[in-house]
Amino acid sequence: GESVGLHLPTLSVQEGDNSIINCAYSNSASDYFIWYKQESGKGPQFIIDIRSNMDKRQGQRVTVLLNKTVKHLSLQIAATQPGDSAVYFCAEKGDGGSQGNLIFGKGTKLSVKP
Amino acid sequence: NAGVMQNPRHLVRRRGQEARLRCSPMKGHSHVYWYRQLPEEGLKFMVYLQKENIIDESGMPKERFSAEFPKEGPSILRIQQVVRGDSAAYFCASSPLDRGLTDTQYFGPGTRLTVL
Repeated sequence: GESVGLHLPTLSVQEGDNSIINCAYSNSASDYFIWYKQESGKGPQFIIDIRSNMDKRQGQRVTVLLNKTVKHLSLQIAATQPGDSAVYFCAEKGDGGSQGNLIFGKGTKLSVKP
Repeated sequence: NAGVMQNPRHLVRRRGQEARLRCSPMKGHSHVYWYRQLPEEGLKFMVYLQKENIIDESGMPKERFSAEFPKEGPSILRIQQVVRGDSAAYFCASSPLDRGLTDTQYFGPGTRLTVL
């Protein structure tokens, strides 16, 4: 069935280093992907998205890479800061008529060491 | 420019009681989604609504759970006769779903339901 998963459940990085969070998806028909950041006790916060007709998209300090050949998605955070500590989720949406639901992975917990 | 609003933020119910969770979408958004999150897990889709219509309820249990999004007022997720397994965080998201622009879903702060 459809699934979105993450390679690593936890990631610890030094402040100032770059972080890379990976995600695998199984539905080759998915056409839209989003990364969310969730801090403890809060709702998911939109970070960046990418459509399947692109392979890279950059935001402020973040870059998302999409490799459709191997169905892999990654989030790169440059110069990681303590405020980046959170759980990061990738989510996918299939290209399906009126359905709008997102399928979430389990999340990667990012810890930033000062 | 208020974001998605949910209330209450915390809700405690005893087994057998009813829980009502409310969600007001962002201004200009007419599409609402409800998700459930268990501790240490990702969000699981429950239901997708537009004004006065349920579009997709494939993720919502057939019994005890219902959702509505009336013409006026917030979207309501209703859980009847709650059981301990219903304890979770319930998140609402909204989107404009204008495919000419974006269909990004923006999330509210969630309602944390605890069933005693």
